[in-house]
Amino acid sequence: AQRVTQPEKLLSVFKGAPVELKCNYSYSGSPELFWYVQYSRQRLQLLLRHISRESIKGFTADLNKGETSFHLKKPFAQEEDSAMYYCALNNAGNMLTFGGGTRLMVKP
Amino acid sequence: DAGVTQSPTHLIKTRGQHVTLRCSPISGHKSVSWYQQVLGQGPQFIFQYYEKEERGRGNFPDRFSARQFPNYSSELNVNALLLGDSALYLCASSLEAGTGVYEQYFGPGTRLTVT
Repeated sequence: AQRVTQPEKLLSVFKGAPVELKCNYSYSGSPELFWYVQYSRQRLQLLLRHISRESIKGFTADLNKGETSFHLKKPFAQEEDSAMYYCALNNAGNMLTFGGGTRLMVKP
Repeated sequence: DAGVTQSPTHLIKTRGQHVTLRCSPISGHKSVSWYQQVLGQGPQFIFQYYEKEERGRGNFPDRFSARQFPNYSSELNVNALLLGDSALYLCASSLEAGTGVYEQYFGPGTRLTVT
């Protein structure tokens, strides 16, 4: 069965420090993975998807099929990056399996 | 466009009661999905509807049901409420469903409290 694991509930870093939010998945097929973000008092929104291989707000994520991981990285964290981050796996037909989420706190 | 809208924002129900939650998708979107988010956890998939037909169902009991109307809006119904049904219920809409990857746009959610 498909599963998404985010091992850290909370990640706290100082402004300007590098950030890595971990995501591991289990899926028998070819995975389609996403990172969603929820800023305070805002809706859940798509941050990036692995198929587009893009960088959004300085964040990147590389799919590592050997390690079944899709970690989210940013070289220099900003205070406005503080939010809840969810890793999600797209089952066939755009039905998402989410991880438990990681709260990122960027301290000044 | 106001994005995906959900009503009501909050509601409180008693165990054993029934509840109906409503969702209006972004104009032009034909697919609606429902997710349950228990406090401290990630969203969990409940249903997906496309063109008024159920396309997928998550691991939820038969007390949960949904439907989609000709205008693509959707209702989620939960019967015989249990305390464990207390959660934020999220609706998401996308342009299409099925093969291909379509971005899902989430609504603000309905906070259900069962006492």
